[in-house]
Amino acid sequence: DAGITQSPRHKVTETGTPVTLRCHQTENHRYMYWYRQDPGHGLRLIHYSYGVKDTDKGEVSDGYSVSRSKTEDFLLTLESATSSQTSVYFCAISETGGRVEQYFGPGTRLTVT
Amino acid sequence: TQLLEQSPQFLSIQEGENLTVYCNSSSVFSSLQWYRQEPGEGPVLLVTVVTGGEVKKLKRLTFQFGDARKDSSLHITAAQPGDTGLYLCAGDVRSNFGNEKLTFGTGTRLTIIP
Repeated sequence: DAGITQSPRHKVTETGTPVTLRCHQTENHRYMYWYRQDPGHGLRLIHYSYGVKDTDKGEVSDGYSVSRSKTEDFLLTLESATSSQTSVYFCAISETGGRVEQYFGPGTRLTVT
Repeated sequence: TQLLEQSPQFLSIQEGENLTVYCNSSSVFSSLQWYRQEPGEGPVLLVTVVTGGEVKKLKRLTFQFGDARKDSSLHITAAQPGDTGLYLCAGDVRSNFGNEKLTFGTGTRLTIIP
């Protein structure tokens, strides 16, 4: 199994509070991704990184920011959490972009009350 | 934004039956991947198809990429309870920066009844 961990695995927070999710990899892969998964929507890309300090927006980036100061860590921040951001968040990594396999972490279940 | 529609959204069949699920788009992809996800876990890659018309087999699973590279299908023969899961297709697209990324489909949740 690819070495990907996510923390926390579960979190309940209140509307308006900031939240940071962490993805940590031990594979030294260049690309890292943050997705959210909601019923009927499959996986939707929030942000991704193609190198340290190099990031780009995905299709549902509003309300989220990311940072990558080291190859192994990719942080997702909800500046002011809203109930619509209640979801399961997955981190993924890949050696390059595009058609190569993406390896996924175990997910973080976030509930915003 | 590219959109991949999967059908059916839910499918529940008896063990031993055959089934086909579909992944369709109005856009052309240079490759398409199929992932399976089990409850509480992240998706895991099953196969990547690259050439229009390509067929790949993985034991009882047969994957086909459409000739025009806009659609794909997954056929399972003699389904078993272990096939239960969420099946996701994903096509690769090129971002504004030239970095390729995947667009995932809406998913088919398959349940095989023993």
